[in-house]
Amino acid sequence: GENVEQHPSTLSVQEGDSAVIKCTYSDSASNYFPWYKQELGKRPQLIIDIRSNVGEKKDQRIAVTLNKTAKHFSLHITETQPEDSAVYFCAASRVDGGSQGNLIFGKGTKLSVKP
Amino acid sequence: EAQVTQNPRYLITVTGKKLTVTCSQNMNHEYMSWYRQDPGLGLRQIYYSMNVEVTDKGDVPEGYKVSRKEKRNFPLILESPSPNQTSLYFCASSYGTSGIGEQFFGPGTRLTVL
Repeated sequence: GENVEQHPSTLSVQEGDSAVIKCTYSDSASNYFPWYKQELGKRPQLIIDIRSNVGEKKDQRIAVTLNKTAKHFSLHITETQPEDSAVYFCAASRVDGGSQGNLIFGKGTKLSVKP
Repeated sequence: EAQVTQNPRYLITVTGKKLTVTCSQNMNHEYMSWYRQDPGLGLRQIYYSMNVEVTDKGDVPEGYKVSRKEKRNFPLILESPSPNQTSLYFCASSYGTSGIGEQFFGPGTRLTVL
């Protein structure tokens, strides 16, 4: 089955700096890669997602890149702000047959943005 | 208001006492799922359902049951809870049958099994 590795487990940056979180996946058939943000004591919320037919997607200060050959994808946050402090989870899913609908999450990255 | 609700939000129980955690969504979503969240392990999928009467196992289904008799409800049943099922549980739903697209999470249920 699919396995998703996420690094680093913790990340501390100064306000205004960029943050990068990387994930690798094992199943080359995975074709959907969402990123969720979970603030302390709250539920996870989708911040951005990418499908395997696209190499990069941007939404204001956040972007996700996908390298299908290397089976890894990354979250990039630019101009970080204190409100970006949270736990971020990557995930992978294979939709075309097989384990359709089975979403596998990484173990999370705790991002701290210091003012 | 579009939302996913879970009940109860907090539960302390004892080993072996059957319990049900309810999940309901009012967004007419096809796809629903249950996750457990444990420190250092992230979110792990327990069961998911792509439609009424269609359910499938996730990564950690042992010790859990689910049913999907109506589109809006997806209860999680622990027939004989054990201490290793102490966890934070999230229900989620999304529009498509595949789980692609935003999953809307419920507020979570913190379960302690003594």
